[in-house]
Amino acid sequence: NAGVTQTPKFRVLKTGQSMTLLCAQDMNHEYMYWYRQDPGMGLRLIHYSVGEGTTAKGEVPDGYNVSRLKKQNFLLGLESAAPSQTSVYFCASRESRTASGNTIYFGEGSWLTVV
Amino acid sequence: GESVGLHLPTLSVQEGDNSIINCAYSNSASDYFIWYKQESGKGPQFIIDIRSNMDKRQGQRVTVLLNKTVKHLSLQIAATQPGDSAVYFCAGSNYKLTFGKGTLLTVNP
Repeated sequence: NAGVTQTPKFRVLKTGQSMTLLCAQDMNHEYMYWYRQDPGMGLRLIHYSVGEGTTAKGEVPDGYNVSRLKKQNFLLGLESAAPSQTSVYFCASRESRTASGNTIYFGEGSWLTVV
Repeated sequence: GESVGLHLPTLSVQEGDNSIINCAYSNSASDYFIWYKQESGKGPQFIIDIRSNMDKRQGQRVTVLLNKTVKHLSLQIAATQPGDSAVYFCAGSNYKLTFGKGTLLTVNP
């Protein structure tokens, strides 16, 4: 997964705490995405961005906020963590809407547990 | 809105057999469709994609078929190997990338 880095990789939070997940890419990609993956389910889109300074809601945006102040970074924030947000989070990036499938890059995932 | 889903949650095959994993989609707005493989504890790994104006595309041991009339695509894996055991996802792509729930492929020796 060269080019997309997620931090942290693992985190345990208490209910009500806040945290930020960072996704960084060094490929000058325009599009970036945050997904969550729960057991037995596919990746569900939380928020996405089509360029610096833009963000949009995906399928499951509630409880999350995002920011894309710099093109290379896409931050996912949990203002008040809930146990339902225990999940694996994946970030992805690509150059453009029409970029082929093999040029979409995923991070290695961030395992978040809310107790 | 767009949804992408899979017909079967699990598929078990014998080593050496061919595997066929199916996927249905409801929205025709995708520019193309992508198949991913995901192994436990890892992120999605690209297998093959197909443009929405194509019917068939072949890769190494894999073939993707797209039937726009019935909004269905499939992934065929030839001579399935134990290393092919994983969860397979289809995804529709436009400005978003929308995933189905996945099919767990188990290859029996």
